[in-house]
Amino acid sequence: DAKTTQPPSMDCAEGRAANLPCNHSTISGNEYVYWYRQIHSQGPQYIIHGLKNNETNEMASLIITEDRKSSTLILPHATLRDTAVYYCIVRVADNFNKFYFGSGTKLNVKP
Amino acid sequence: GAVVSQHPSRVICKSGTSVKIECRSLDFQATTMFWYRQFPKKSLMLMATSNEGSKATYEQGVEKDKFLINHASLTLSTLTVTSAHPEDSSFYICSARVGWGGNTIYFGEGSWLTVV
Repeated sequence: DAKTTQPPSMDCAEGRAANLPCNHSTISGNEYVYWYRQIHSQGPQYIIHGLKNNETNEMASLIITEDRKSSTLILPHATLRDTAVYYCIVRVADNFNKFYFGSGTKLNVKP
Repeated sequence: GAVVSQHPSRVICKSGTSVKIECRSLDFQATTMFWYRQFPKKSLMLMATSNEGSKATYEQGVEKDKFLINHASLTLSTLTVTSAHPEDSSFYICSARVGWGGNTIYFGEGSWLTVV
């Protein structure tokens, strides 16, 4: 089952950075942290993932604490189109690498 | 990113009939595909893991005779909802893992099933 805890909702002003936290205190050493987002009635969209180092791509940055028990997804300049439910997922480290979704954070970007 | 396509995007069927949903990986080979269902305003629930050429592995509480999964090729997995009832109405989403032991999975657009 999901090994993550996220706040149910957050607000962010358009143009500002959105910082979405995630707790995964029971994460194992070989389990990755993934972030996806889901815009209403669509399939989830991959954002970024990491193991222990901070990661950055064209969409976002992922900051993982040194003890790996929590992470933060950063959208540097949020736009109205970033309004979505953001899911932090710990990928199960077995042969299937399953993804179990928690309840996610609804990010509301406001003008 | 890799493209996963589902068909149909919306389907309405009569109670008692069966309906098939297809999931295709368009530009990569997917040895493993996953099927999820999602109720309104709820999170995604993993139903089963589909491996090419072998039987699907179902999550606890998911009826394998109700939700038939076939993964006949490296680019196609199908979910058949048998003897559908109104409570089976839901958003069904597939995802596919890129290649052998790939790290990232990509999701299809989802399929809305309404059973009347």
